[in-house]
Amino acid sequence: KQEVTQIPAALSVPEGENLVLNCSFTDSAIYNLQWFRQDPGKGLTSLLLIQSSQREQTSGRLNASLDKSSGRSTLYIAASQPGDSATYLCAVRPQDDYKLSFGAGTTVTVRA
Amino acid sequence: DTGVSQNPRHKITKRGQNVTFRCDPISEHNRLYWYRQTLGQGPEFLTYFQNEAQLEKSRLLSDRFSAERPKGSFSTLEIQRTEQGDSAMYLCASSLAEGSPQDNEQFFGPGTRLTVL
Repeated sequence: KQEVTQIPAALSVPEGENLVLNCSFTDSAIYNLQWFRQDPGKGLTSLLLIQSSQREQTSGRLNASLDKSSGRSTLYIAASQPGDSATYLCAVRPQDDYKLSFGAGTTVTVRA
Repeated sequence: DTGVSQNPRHKITKRGQNVTFRCDPISEHNRLYWYRQTLGQGPEFLTYFQNEAQLEKSRLLSDRFSAERPKGSFSTLEIQRTEQGDSAMYLCASSLAEGSPQDNEQFFGPGTRLTVL
């Protein structure tokens, strides 16, 4: 069974600092990995999707890397802003399945 | 593209009552998923459909839960004889089945928050 872990559970940084969010998974036989943002009481917004054959994916200030062999992905958010405050979740899709396995998320607070 | 929509957004019910939630996926998406999320946790898979066929159900989906997707369009999730432990956010997602791997990206709706008193 795929286990997905996100450490730390919470993070507080001053505005302008770069954010580094970690995700680890136990089974490297993945099809893809998605990073999501969730605001309090809301649904999930897809940020980036990385295929298993890719090493990284970029969108604006966001960059996600994937090291499948070591079971790790990192989401980098450059020059953080108070609007980046949210919970960030990573989710892994196995090679032989469609359902996503999620981590518990990292809650980020960016202080103005 | 209006995104995935879910109704109602909030539902408060008394223990023992039945509730039904609706999900409307992105129009061209033929896969539809239901997840459940409790406070402080990531979503957990419940079930998924390809078109109108329900292809997989999690062991989390007890006999009190039933999901349908008639005609392969919208889906409903019904919970019978609700219990306090059913209180959670119920999330729906959809994706394309064919096309490039990127098309398998799952897009989520705003969720239905269920509170069982």
